[in-house]
Amino acid sequence: SQQGEEDPQALSIQEGENATMNCSYKTSINNLQWYRQNSGRGLVHLILIRSNEREKHSGRLRVTLDTSKKSSSLLITASRAADTASYFCATANTGGFKTIFGAGTRLFVKA
Amino acid sequence: DTAVSQTPKYLVTQMGNDKSIKCEQNLGHDTMYWYKQDSKKFLKIMFSYNNKELIINETVPNRFSPKSPDKAHLNLHINSLELGDSAVYFCASSQAVDSPGGLQPQHFGDGTRLSIL
Repeated sequence: SQQGEEDPQALSIQEGENATMNCSYKTSINNLQWYRQNSGRGLVHLILIRSNEREKHSGRLRVTLDTSKKSSSLLITASRAADTASYFCATANTGGFKTIFGAGTRLFVKA
Repeated sequence: DTAVSQTPKYLVTQMGNDKSIKCEQNLGHDTMYWYKQDSKKFLKIMFSYNNKELIINETVPNRFSPKSPDKAHLNLHINSLELGDSAVYFCASSQAVDSPGGLQPQHFGDGTRLSIL
C-alpha cells in the first residue's frame, strides 16, 4: 500500500480559520515533504522537514513530524480563499529513490 | 520563464494511436521524473532519470517508453493507447538525490491531460 496517506480526505473551512492536515507513513524516512496543487496545475513544493526535526515554519505554514508515530501534520493559519487546493505529503521508499505521494487532502476555504 | 514545461497541455486521441509528450526544464537539475495522476488525484511515479540514466522504472506497461536526449529533456512516448491511459501526466525535476531514502524538492510542470476516445 502507499506510503503517505493524508487525513482528512477533504476539509471545508471559513476564511480566517486554521486548517490542519495529517499524513501517516509506514517505513523509515530521511525527510518528508508537503506539496500544494491548485486545480489544473502542477504540484508546488511547500516545505521539507528532515527526520531529525520536529517542527518547521514557513510563513503561515507549520509542519510537525513525529517519527515515533510515523506521522506529520501541516497547519495553515489564518487561511485565505487562495489556499483552496489539494495538499499532498511525500516520502521516499525505504533506502530507495522513489517518491511516494499520499492521496491528498482537498482543502476548500470559503470567503 | 517557465521552469518545467510540458507539451502538449491537452491531448485527445483515439484508442490504438501512438503519442508523445515532451518535457523540458531550465533549472539545471540532474533528475527528471514522470508521474501519472488518476481521476482520484492519486499520483504515482512512472520513471525517473538522473543525468540521462534511468534510475526508476516502475511497473508500467512497456507501451510507455521514456527517452532522455539530454539532462534537460525527458520525453514520454506511448504506443497503442488504451482507455485506461486517460489521466494527467506530470513531468518534474529536482537536484540529484544524494542518498537513498532522501528526497529533493521537485518542480512540476502543469501536466498533460490525456483523453482516449
